[in-house]
Amino acid sequence: GESVGLHLPTLSVQEGDNSIINCAYSNSASDYFIWYKQESGKGPQFIIDIRSNMDKRQGQRVTVLLNKTVKHLSLQIAATQPGDSAVYFCAEKRGNNRLAFGKGNQVVVIP
Amino acid sequence: GAGVSQSPSNKVTEKGKDVELRCDPISGHTALYWYRQRLGQGLEFLIYFQGNSAPDKSGLPSDRFSAERTGESVSTLTIQRTQQEDSAVYLCASSSQHFSYGYTFGSGTRLTVV
Repeated sequence: GESVGLHLPTLSVQEGDNSIINCAYSNSASDYFIWYKQESGKGPQFIIDIRSNMDKRQGQRVTVLLNKTVKHLSLQIAATQPGDSAVYFCAEKRGNNRLAFGKGNQVVVIP
Repeated sequence: GAGVSQSPSNKVTEKGKDVELRCDPISGHTALYWYRQRLGQGLEFLIYFQGNSAPDKSGLPSDRFSAERTGESVSTLTIQRTQQEDSAVYLCASSSQHFSYGYTFGSGTRLTVV
């Protein structure tokens, strides 16, 4: 089966602190990775992506780090806000432009 | 349209009935994907369309599940003789030929089989 997994099922973080979500992937040939955010009752929403020829990419308040040596991906959220409360999925591009998703990591922001 | 549209948003059906779920992808997106998401779980791949052909049906869990797509437009996912274990959110996504920014997802159809 597909094997893209997250280490922590739930992350509780104080508002204003930084959050880090980790993800392990299994396919060393994967060349494209995406982080999605899913709020309750909604479909997953693109946050940030990274190609395998990079090891870091920054967006607005988010940074994705890729370590191909250990097949590890992380998402850092700076100055976490209540609106960041959601489930976060990492995804790995397989053949046929198909994405394999991990189980997800719940982030709960404490005001 | 501006986004991926799925209907109905919620569906409650009796065990043994057939259901049809609809997906309208973003105009011009050649690829369309169906995923299933059980409560508190990740996304389980079901089927992928490129145009109106389905090169990858490997995720369909049984022959009760089928899907079709009309041209590069609407897709329907049909579940026959529904079972309680079919209860889940069914998500549709589409992507452009160049796969920029991965997929754009719809909000899903929440299916409850009673």
